[in-house]
Amino acid sequence: NAGVTQTPKFQVLKTGQSMTLQCAQDMNHEYMSWYRQDPGMGLRLIHYSVGAGITDQGEVPNGYNVSRSTTEDFPLRLLSAAPSQTSVYFCASRRTGTGGFQPQHFGDGTRLSIL
Amino acid sequence: TQLLEQSPQFLSIQEGENLTVYCNSSSVFSSLQWYRQEPGEGPVLLVTVVTGGEVKKLKRLTFQFGDARKDSSLHITAAQPGDTGLYLCAGARRSGGSNYKLTFGKGTLLTVNP
Repeated sequence: NAGVTQTPKFQVLKTGQSMTLQCAQDMNHEYMSWYRQDPGMGLRLIHYSVGAGITDQGEVPNGYNVSRSTTEDFPLRLLSAAPSQTSVYFCASRRTGTGGFQPQHFGDGTRLSIL
Repeated sequence: TQLLEQSPQFLSIQEGENLTVYCNSSSVFSSLQWYRQEPGEGPVLLVTVVTGGEVKKLKRLTFQFGDARKDSSLHITAAQPGDTGLYLCAGARRSGGSNYKLTFGKGTLLTVNP
């Protein structure tokens, strides 16, 4: 009954460092996405994927890379961390398909601070 | 440009009071979802409304989708401290094939005081 699992839960980085936020889901969902949540800004889409081998940019993709080699995993890479990337990051997954919009399942987030 | 406007941004009420949260847009959505987020956790889906004019009830929570599918409201009757949290609306629009793009409002932070 894991759902969407994000690691780590907390991380502190120095400016210029790189790191990967991990996301895994066990529901065989085709669609996965990464959001950042900042006070007063709501949830903003960074990158998304509609299936293994397919990724696309969201609303705020600069400074982030993603890949989708398997259905289960969708890691988010910060190439060179900047203080503006201090945020709470959420991974989400859902089914695709016809018949209406599918419910989106979120992980519990990674709280990232860039010093 | 904020596609979905939520109001109010903050709401602090006493236990037992009623409240309504609004989610408005100039765009038409295929469906609209409401989520609740508690501190330290990710958002959890409460309901999805799909048809214009649709009303759904979840215990003391009533969700309504506007006739034109541009707006929605969440009404809570006799609020309890357990209702405290961040309420997010999210509108879905078709983005090609069977895919949908989901856009979130900024959220309403509700505090229910005992």
